[in-house]
Amino acid sequence: DTAVSQTPKYLVTQMGNDKSIKCEQNLGHDTMYWYKQDSKKFLKIMFSYNNKELIINETVPNRFSPKSPDKAHLNLHINSLELGDSAVYFCASSPRRGAYQETQYFGPGTRLLVL
Amino acid sequence: EDQVTQSPEALRLQEGESSSLNCSYTVSGLRGLFWYRQDPGKGPEFLFTLYSAGEEKEKERLKATLTKKESFLHITAPKPEDSATYLCAVDQGGGSYIPTFGRGTSLIVHP
Repeated sequence: DTAVSQTPKYLVTQMGNDKSIKCEQNLGHDTMYWYKQDSKKFLKIMFSYNNKELIINETVPNRFSPKSPDKAHLNLHINSLELGDSAVYFCASSPRRGAYQETQYFGPGTRLLVL
Repeated sequence: EDQVTQSPEALRLQEGESSSLNCSYTVSGLRGLFWYRQDPGKGPEFLFTLYSAGEEKEKERLKATLTKKESFLHITAPKPEDSATYLCAVDQGGGSYIPTFGRGTSLIVHP
């Protein structure tokens, strides 16, 4: 069974559209994250979410918003998509905030292309 | 200016040819330095966390070391299956976990 899963795997859309990416973890972890990896393979953290506490990387535009219906899910909503949003988005999870360094598990990624 | 710099950008080795990857950082108040492995089309896979200068950790053919300014990932007698991109990240501490990643080293090991 996949520990951290994301859907869809690929997403191609037009500029200005609103889209969502879903993430689920079956590890019973408390903390989940969203990362963005650009075309140059540069990986940047966007959000971390722990027990209803959201930590936002201040460089992330407010068009991006995470939504967590329960502890096992952290979805990413993106409004008014722009060309620069094209990237691979990774979801990750860890057991608890204090243990993130040792046991952070990444999903397979969602490849977003904005035309 | 990048706070985390990895070198070389790309490295080609013959099977069995040991080498080292470098990760230098300029952040102050380092709380942790992380190494990840990323295979093409996949998410990063956690390898190590180092917390203080002088610390070393090993896993199979990999050994990570840390000084006050840089970290090395030593690969001993690599095999083709070690081919991947190796990412380094640092956490500056503070109230939130906001890691800063380097751009990675792409390693190819030829049989």
